[in-house]
Amino acid sequence: DAGITQSPRHKVTETGTPVTLRCHQTENHRYMYWYRQDPGHGLRLIHYSYGVKDTDKGEVSDGYSVSRSKTEDFLLTLESATSSQTSVYFCAINRDYGYTFGSGTRLTVV
Amino acid sequence: GQQVMQIPQYQHVQEGEDFTTYCNSSTTLSNIQWYKQRPGGHPVFLIQLVKSGEVKKQKRLTFQFGEAKKNSSLHITATQTTDVGTYFCAGPTGTASKLTFGTGTRLQVTL
Repeated sequence: DAGITQSPRHKVTETGTPVTLRCHQTENHRYMYWYRQDPGHGLRLIHYSYGVKDTDKGEVSDGYSVSRSKTEDFLLTLESATSSQTSVYFCAINRDYGYTFGSGTRLTVV
Repeated sequence: GQQVMQIPQYQHVQEGEDFTTYCNSSTTLSNIQWYKQRPGGHPVFLIQLVKSGEVKKQKRLTFQFGEAKKNSSLHITATQTTDVGTYFCAGPTGTASKLTFGTGTRLQVTL
């Protein structure tokens, strides 16, 4: 969707390496979210942000950290990637009429 | 914490048949949202229901919010191959406009 982009789209990384995923929005929305999607689990909230430098944990935050130094950018970091973090990661912004999601990042940890 | 369950997990229909997915929350919801995700794509917002007993229609799709505001359904009349995808319901949880998503129903439509 126009207004929110994620990078990279695909990434393969080795166990134990750090990985950072980027979410960028162009519409100045206050709230941003990181979800992961796995078969049988739907979408689960990892972390969210309610403003610059204001972030909090979601239901599956272990092994992840986030930062938001500017309104437009919300970064998700896997400090030391594990195979259980192989997943599709979606960033979202909250518009008045529901969430708008980015196109996702498919991360494989080998 | 809040749980949102959907049934069925998967349904395979022939084109032209009807389809219904059901969403149940462990807590009362202030509103419920529905999203569609095409294979390989990202979830896309379809609709939000707010009032108890509310019914909304979008062409062949009919959305209902239960009287107790703990359940919802999506009904598709005369499915088409373009309806293929996974349908998620989602309800607000806590602060910061967070959403808890249901487990999703994957719809497959064949000719």
